[in-house]
Amino acid sequence: GAGVSQSPRYKVTKRGQDVALRCDPISGHVSLYWYRQALGQGPEFLTYFNYEAQQDKSGLPNDRFSAERPEGSISTLTIQRTEQRDSAMYRCASSPAGKPWGETQYFGPGTRLLVL
Amino acid sequence: AQTVTQSQPEMSVQEAETVTLSCTYDTSENNYYLFWYKQPPSRQMILVIRQEAYKQQNATENRFSVNFQKAAKSFSLKISDSQLGDTAMYFCAFMKHIYSGGTSYGKLTFGQGTILTVHP
Repeated sequence: GAGVSQSPRYKVTKRGQDVALRCDPISGHVSLYWYRQALGQGPEFLTYFNYEAQQDKSGLPNDRFSAERPEGSISTLTIQRTEQRDSAMYRCASSPAGKPWGETQYFGPGTRLLVL
Repeated sequence: AQTVTQSQPEMSVQEAETVTLSCTYDTSENNYYLFWYKQPPSRQMILVIRQEAYKQQNATENRFSVNFQKAAKSFSLKISDSQLGDTAMYFCAFMKHIYSGGTSYGKLTFGQGTILTVHP
């Protein structure tokens, strides 16, 4: 079946603009995660959804970052008033269920964000 | 907090040879999962192999196998019969169990990655 998809794949924006990054998880996957990956580094956890509920947002760096998953499927990560330090690859991952908790997370191709 | 350390920033190997990538982690948890992910030049993030900490048997997946040493907190990846398509950045990741709000889920912490180049 289809994997995790993300759009746009590349986004160039000017400092101060808002951006919205979209994630479409694997069909039927209950759990959805957002990660941020700086160049040459491993991904870092941002937030986690179980269905439509945002269960963990401990990794969001500040209040300019928010995420939603209103119908328990597609998710949007929004960055307001972007800054140059927000430039990174933003990855989405999904997994089948919260139980058992050790389910593999399947990653999307990522959105590469560049803030000028 | 968990930390994952990959001490080899870069490795290279000849085609058809064997290479081992190192990973150590620090945790006070007893039950957890470990993963190796591969990131080729396309920058996709692809699962290579996973290991459940409560299983003593090392996981294998075709040419990929792990050496899991729980007491030493070590989780190395061995690639046998290396192929040109194995050229990629490899990330070791630790999954911790979180229980919050009636929900169980796994939280991944990644290492810094090892760039592997397979030469013809």
